[in-house]
Amino acid sequence: SQTIHQWPATLVQPVGSPLSLECTVEGTSNPNLYWYRQAAGRGLQLLFYSVGIGQISSEVPQNLSASRPQDRQFILSSKKLLLSDSGFYLCAWSVVGDAQYFGPGTRLTVT
Amino acid sequence: RKEVEQDPGPFNVPEGATVAFNCTYSNSASQSFFWYRQDCRKEPKLLMSVYSSGNEDGRFTAQLNRASQYISLLIRDSKLSDSATYLCVVTTLRGSSGSARQLTFGSGTQLTVLP
Repeated sequence: SQTIHQWPATLVQPVGSPLSLECTVEGTSNPNLYWYRQAAGRGLQLLFYSVGIGQISSEVPQNLSASRPQDRQFILSSKKLLLSDSGFYLCAWSVVGDAQYFGPGTRLTVT
Repeated sequence: RKEVEQDPGPFNVPEGATVAFNCTYSNSASQSFFWYRQDCRKEPKLLMSVYSSGNEDGRFTAQLNRASQYISLLIRDSKLSDSATYLCVVTTLRGSSGSARQLTFGSGTQLTVLP
């Protein structure tokens, strides 16, 4: 069966520091991968999606970036965090024609 | 107008009650429809897909009306464990080859089942 991992589970970072969140998927090949952010008390916002290695589409202009160095690995990064980057970051996977399945998320607090 | 709109909630119902959630979507090109549930401080989890013919999974029944662009979820015999936020989700294909799905989430309806 397929599983999706995210780490770390929680993170507290100062403003201006870099960020790297990692997501890996097991049990499937060539999945579509997604990064979402959920601000406190708000809905989910799609940040990036990827249909293959090295292929990244950005949905929202911001100081975040994403990379997909391997088929089942998706990384979310920032060179300098802002206070507004605080939130719950969720990675998800899907295959074409199916629902998306979410990882456990990373709760980021920027101080 | 929001792409996906849900009942504002919150819903507080006694155990055993029947509760219905409604959702409307604005993009007529939307292709797939789902209900997810999200527990407090957890990731959303797929509850069920929604088909034009309607579908049922135990105590849960989902309906889709494409003409009215309307989706519903009915929960019968509510349990304490049903307490969560229910998210209406609509998808459209994205990308040059239409190979990626964009999920658009409603803002969610909070349900609390009371003992």
